[in-house]
Amino acid sequence: AQSVTQLDSQVPVFEEAPVELRCNYSSSVSVYLFWYVQYPNQGLQLLLKYLSGSTLVKGINGFEAEFNKSQTSFHLRKPSVHISDTAEYFCAVRALNAGGTSYGKLTFGQGTILTVHP
Amino acid sequence: NAGVTQTPKFQVLKTGQSMTLQCAQDMNHNSMYWYRQDPGMGLRLIYYSASEGTTDKGEVPNGYNVSRLNKREFSLRLESAAPSQTSVYFCASRGQGLRNQPQHFGDGTRLSIL
Repeated sequence: AQSVTQLDSQVPVFEEAPVELRCNYSSSVSVYLFWYVQYPNQGLQLLLKYLSGSTLVKGINGFEAEFNKSQTSFHLRKPSVHISDTAEYFCAVRALNAGGTSYGKLTFGQGTILTVHP
Repeated sequence: NAGVTQTPKFQVLKTGQSMTLQCAQDMNHNSMYWYRQDPGMGLRLIYYSASEGTTDKGEVPNGYNVSRLNKREFSLRLESAAPSQTSVYFCASRGQGLRNQPQHFGDGTRLSIL
């Protein structure tokens, strides 16, 4: 089984400041890693994903995340946030079973509410 | 360009009432999922359907049933609603062929059980 821990439930930050949202995961098998964003009263949108290759992945809206296998982390970063980045962010993992088919099931973290103040 | 469509968007039920939440996708995806979202708990998988004709339990299936009516539609049924089922319910779908296909989410159904 997999588990995901988002270390901060709420992160307040001022506009144009940098931000890091932390995510750690646990799994006995290889995983894919995802960050989703949820704006108020909307569904989840994919920000970025790590599948293999370069450990630094870039996503939409200027976000990026770095996969650290030794620390089992996948922290999300943005060098300069905007008011419009205020939302809830979810880290998720998808495991590969022995046959290489996970049916796409995701395990989510608890979510981090990012609030950007003017 | 509808993607994943959920109906209704809002619903209030009384304890013991039954209800079916509808989900349809127009992306020709094989896999579909139902999640519930509760504060501080992220999204938890209720049921999923890897392909048309198959359904399987997720993390929190108790109190729910599902039907994969056809490739497009995947419904979630509450036979006897309980206050603990007050939540926001999300449907998602995912294509096959490449392992890196992400899930696409609907806008959610906000359900309150009184």
